[in-house]
Amino acid sequence: QLQLQESGPGLVKPSGTLSLTCTVSGDSISSINWWNWVRQPPGKGLEWIGEIHHSGSTNHNPSLKSRVTISVDKSKNQFSLKLSSVTAADTAVYYCASTSYYRVDYWGQGTRVTVSS
Amino acid sequence: QSALTQPASVSGSPGQSITISCTGTSSDVGAYNYVSWYQQHPGKAPKLMIYDVTDRPSGVSHRFSGSKSGNTASLTISGLQAEDEADYYCTSYTTSNTYVFGTGTEVTVL
Repeated sequence: QLQLQESGPGLVKPSGTLSLTCTVSGDSISSINWWNWVRQPPGKGLEWIGEIHHSGSTNHNPSLKSRVTISVDKSKNQFSLKLSSVTAADTAVYYCASTSYYRVDYWGQGTRVTVSS
Repeated sequence: QSALTQPASVSGSPGQSITISCTGTSSDVGAYNYVSWYQQHPGKAPKLMIYDVTDRPSGVSHRFSGSKSGNTASLTISGLQAEDEADYYCTSYTTSNTYVFGTGTEVTVL
C-alpha cells in the first residue's frame, strides 16, 4: 500500500520560500506514477499545483508556474515543492499525492503552512 | 485554467438520490474521459470515489456512480446515507497536460 507523508516548516514569512518534502513508502518513486502537490486554503477548495515524474518531467498549474519548483530525489524516495515569493494567499493545507492513469489515487495526510511575519 | 464549476451545496433526505454536476470546457471535461470525483470529510484528505468518469475503485460503495455528457460530468449518490455528508470535488485532466479541480460541493443529509 502506497503511503505519502509531507514534512516541512509550518510557518513561512511573507516574501520567503515555502519548502516541503514528501516521503514515499510502499512503492518506488521510480514507478509509473507521477508525484503531485495539491493545496487547500482554509475553508476553500482544492487547487492542483503541479507534478513530477521520476524522469524529471514536470507539469505545473499555469497560475503558479513562475513561482513553483518541484524536484525528485530518487535516492531518498522523496519529492519536494518550493514555492517562492509567498504571501498570505499561499496559506493552506498542502497535500502530496500520486497520480496514475490520470487520477489522483493516493494522498498524504496534509500539512498546514501559514504565511505570516 | 479556470476551476470546473460545481454547485456550492446539494442536500437530500436519507434514502434519496442526489446528483452533483461538474461543468468544464472542451479543453478539460469534454476532451477526455479522465474525470475523477473525490469525497472529503472535515480535516481529512480527499478520497477517490470515481475515476475515468464511471469507474469505482475497489471498496467504494455501488451507491456512487458517475457519468458525462459533453463538457459536463455528474456524480450521483443513490440511497443517501448520513456518512455521505461531506464535500465533493471533481477533477479533470486537461489538454495542457495539467489537472483542474472543481469548485467543490457540500452535501448535506437532511
